[in-house]
Amino acid sequence: AQSVTQLGSHVSVSEGALVLLRCNYSSSVPPYLFWYVQYPNQGLQLLLKYTTGATLVKGINGFEAEFKKSETSFHLTKPSAHMSDAAEYFCAVSDRGGSTLGRLYFGRGTQLTVWP
Amino acid sequence: SAVISQKPSRDICQRGTSLTIQCQVDSQVTMMFWYRQQPGQSLTLIATANQGSEATYESGFVIDKFPISRPNLTFSTLTVSNMSPEDSSIYLCSVEHYHEPGDTQYFGPGTRLTVL
Repeated sequence: AQSVTQLGSHVSVSEGALVLLRCNYSSSVPPYLFWYVQYPNQGLQLLLKYTTGATLVKGINGFEAEFKKSETSFHLTKPSAHMSDAAEYFCAVSDRGGSTLGRLYFGRGTQLTVWP
Repeated sequence: SAVISQKPSRDICQRGTSLTIQCQVDSQVTMMFWYRQQPGQSLTLIATANQGSEATYESGFVIDKFPISRPNLTFSTLTVSNMSPEDSSIYLCSVEHYHEPGDTQYFGPGTRLTVL
């Protein structure tokens, strides 16, 4: 089974500062990797994903993430935070449709606060 | 992606009663999933809704408590039966498209359930 660790349940940054949200996973095979964002009182929205190919993936709202196999990491970054980025962020992995077809494993989430 | 709607968006229910949550997708999808998000927690998969057959439940979730239907490729329901305050959560459905590889799931807006 997969497991996902998000370091830091809460991250606070100033507007304009770099955003870095950490995600590490454990997997017996290279997984598919995802970041989702959840704004207050809303469902989850897909930010970006890595399946194959280029390890640096760009998503919506200026976010990007880099798959580092050697570090089993998929950290999410944004060069300059905006107030509207304040939300809960979830990292998720799948096992590429193995024995648990389609199953996503979620991290515990990181609440991002952006200060003016 | 897909446009996913859920009904109701929120509800307040008395203990011992049941609530059925509907999930409607604007296109045919292969996989539909139901998740629970307890207050301040990450997402926990309840079951995978299979079209034309019984749902596949995760450990800790049983059909008697969470009966699921999936009569066609665009619709599913989740019933929370004999509710108790511990069932107060956000319930989310998600879908996976057959033509989009990589186990990508898109989420509905969620149903906020409060049990008194």
